[in-house]
Amino acid sequence: DAGITQSPRHKVTETGTPVTLRCHQTENHRYMYWYRQDPGHGLRLIHYSYGVKDTDKGEVSDGYSVSRSKTEDFLLTLESATSSQTSVYFCAISESVGIANTGELFFGEGSRLTVL
Amino acid sequence: AQTVTQSQPEMSVQEAETVTLSCTYDTSESDYYLFWYKQPPSRQMILVIRQEAYKQQNATENRFSVNFQKAAKSFSLKISDSQLGDAAMYFCAYRSAYNQGGKLIFGQGTELSVKP
Repeated sequence: DAGITQSPRHKVTETGTPVTLRCHQTENHRYMYWYRQDPGHGLRLIHYSYGVKDTDKGEVSDGYSVSRSKTEDFLLTLESATSSQTSVYFCAISESVGIANTGELFFGEGSRLTVL
Repeated sequence: AQTVTQSQPEMSVQEAETVTLSCTYDTSESDYYLFWYKQPPSRQMILVIRQEAYKQQNATENRFSVNFQKAAKSFSLKISDSQLGDAAMYFCAYRSAYNQGGKLIFGQGTELSVKP
C-alpha cells in the first residue's frame, strides 16, 4: 500500500473557525491532490500540486487554500469553515503524468469533517 | 471540459450472478485513460481496473472486465460471479493523457449491493 497518511481522520468544528487538514506521503511522488466526496457528486477536485510550492485550482476551490513546502506534505486549509464544507476529504498522490505513465492515483483513507 | 456520468445511483445483484455498471464520458481528446475504483464501507479507494483509450482490447482483471466503446464514449464494468465482498460504491474516472496535472475526473458513483 502507498504510504499516505491523512490527519486528522475525524474533526468536528464550528462555523467560522479555521481548519487545516494534512496529507503526508512517504513515496516521494511529485503530484498530490485534495478531493472532497459528497453524496451524488462523487469525488471533486479541490486543489492539486505538481511540485514543491507549485499548486493549481480544481473545480471546487472556493473557500480552500493549499500549501506544499515539502515534497511529502500537502496541507488543505479552510480559512473560515462553513456548513457547506462538511464532507469527506481525500488526499491522493501520483508518481508522474503523461502518455508514458497511466498515472494511477493512490488515495489516503479520508478525513471526515463536520462543520456545525 | 471533460465530464463523467454514472446514471445508476444504485444497483443490486444476487450472489454468483453477473452485473454491469454503466459509465459514459464526454471529451474531445483522443488519448486518455479510464478507471474503475471501488470504495467499500471502510472508505478506502481501491483501483479495480484501468483502460488505455488507444487500446482496442477490453481490459480484464479476474472477475472484472470492461466494455470500452470509444466512439460511443461508454465504459461499463462487468462483475462476474458476484461475491458479498463486491458490495461497495463504484466510481468511474477519466484522466487525460496530456499533462493536465494528472487529475482524475470522477462520476457520481454507483452503490452496488450483493444479495446472498
